[in-house]
Amino acid sequence: GNSVTQMEGPVTLSEEAFLTINCTYTATGYPSLFWYVQYPGEGLQLLLKATKADDKGSNKGFEATYRKETTSFHLEKGSVQVSDSAVYFCALSERSGNTGKLIFGQGTTLQVKP
Amino acid sequence: DSGVTQTPKHLITATGQRVTLRCSPRSGDLSVYWYQQSLDQGLQFLIQYYNGEERAKGNILERFSAQQFPDLHSELNLSSLELGDSALYFCASSVAGGRDIQYFGAGTRLSVL
Repeated sequence: GNSVTQMEGPVTLSEEAFLTINCTYTATGYPSLFWYVQYPGEGLQLLLKATKADDKGSNKGFEATYRKETTSFHLEKGSVQVSDSAVYFCALSERSGNTGKLIFGQGTTLQVKP
Repeated sequence: DSGVTQTPKHLITATGQRVTLRCSPRSGDLSVYWYQQSLDQGLQFLIQYYNGEERAKGNILERFSAQQFPDLHSELNLSSLELGDSALYFCASSVAGGRDIQYFGAGTRLSVL
């Protein structure tokens, strides 16, 4: 079945450091890919998305490129801030049957220290 | 604020009991999704409704059921509760389904003692 694998956390960085959170997926067909962020005590918020190969999603300085050849969707940010501390989830949306259900990775906790 | 409202925020109950979680989707959204977030299973899709009808089912236990009402709000019913049902339950909504963006509520934290 379809699945998403993220790098284990927690990831601890100093402010202004470069961030990469790895995400790979297994899917039949051509899923849409997402990064969601969960701040403490809150629900998930969509951070960015990509719907086809080579698409780049970007938002708030975060970027991820849909790489079909490596089945990856790694999240990057050039300079993290303390306010970026949160749990990040990579997810795919199956296209079959128009269900839209999301399959999530296990989440990666990011802690940014001043 | 995502526009998706979940009540209650917290629920504490005992094993064997039954609870109902409620979700009001964003105005205009026809699809409602339920997800369970637990430490051991992570975030898992439970069930989706579209305009009152069940559209997709995930790893939802037989003790759990859901429905979507004519005003499009949804309820998730959990019965014969076990300690392992303790989790954060999220509701999400989208305009229709497919590749539409899903907007998540803040969740209901269920503690089964």
